[in-house]
Amino acid sequence: QSVLTQPPSVSGAPGQRVTVSCTGSNSNIGAGYDVHWYQQVPGTAPKLLIYGNTIRPSGVPDRFSGSESGTSASLAITGLQAEDEADYYCQSYDSSLSAYVFGPGTKVTVL
Amino acid sequence: EVQLVESGGGLVQPGGSLRLSCAASGFTFSGYWMTWVRQAPGKGLEWVANIKQDGSEKYYVDSVKGRFTISKDNAKNSLYLQMNSLRVEDTAVYYCVKYIAVPGKNNFRYYGMDVWGQGTTVTVSS
Repeated sequence: QSVLTQPPSVSGAPGQRVTVSCTGSNSNIGAGYDVHWYQQVPGTAPKLLIYGNTIRPSGVPDRFSGSESGTSASLAITGLQAEDEADYYCQSYDSSLSAYVFGPGTKVTVL
Repeated sequence: EVQLVESGGGLVQPGGSLRLSCAASGFTFSGYWMTWVRQAPGKGLEWVANIKQDGSEKYYVDSVKGRFTISKDNAKNSLYLQMNSLRVEDTAVYYCVKYIAVPGKNNFRYYGMDVWGQGTTVTVSS
């Protein structure tokens, strides 16, 4: 059982906006440790989407954005496209576990 | 092009050993923290271990402490994971991953993981 909580799935029609939440606690996100987001298309390696809560690496479309507040973080995808259908994981550091932790993942489906 | 290529996976019996290797190219390997992340079949991602640029600091997830050893050879641009006393629950795809620092936060606990290898599969079964 992960210390970061994500919804199992979210869905939206092409062009819509969807958000994926990541809820932690005072030993990880609430302690100020940054949240990072990864996209994984089944059968392939994860890809960094957002790091440092809000920073997009070079090459990541600006349709993807991250935010963080208190003990939670969110990934927003605007203008949803078919190619965005994938699993999305949040990740942070937990001081109680002294370990990097991942959320369980959220499957984004494009209707 | 920044690239990480893992090798060394395979089928091993419970209690056995394997050594994973990761060949890095396209960046100054000696300048980065590195890490191993695994993914069991049909499951999510799990951090396994990480190592400082010069190998002087190493950290492990509790479930592998005392059984796995991470190491790096900067002269060979290579990262390794020695896995002993393997268990069925260690079955997973193992990814070699490079860290990226968050601007203004010079502490590895804040780092994200920006370059991933293709993964190597470890199967522990009798």
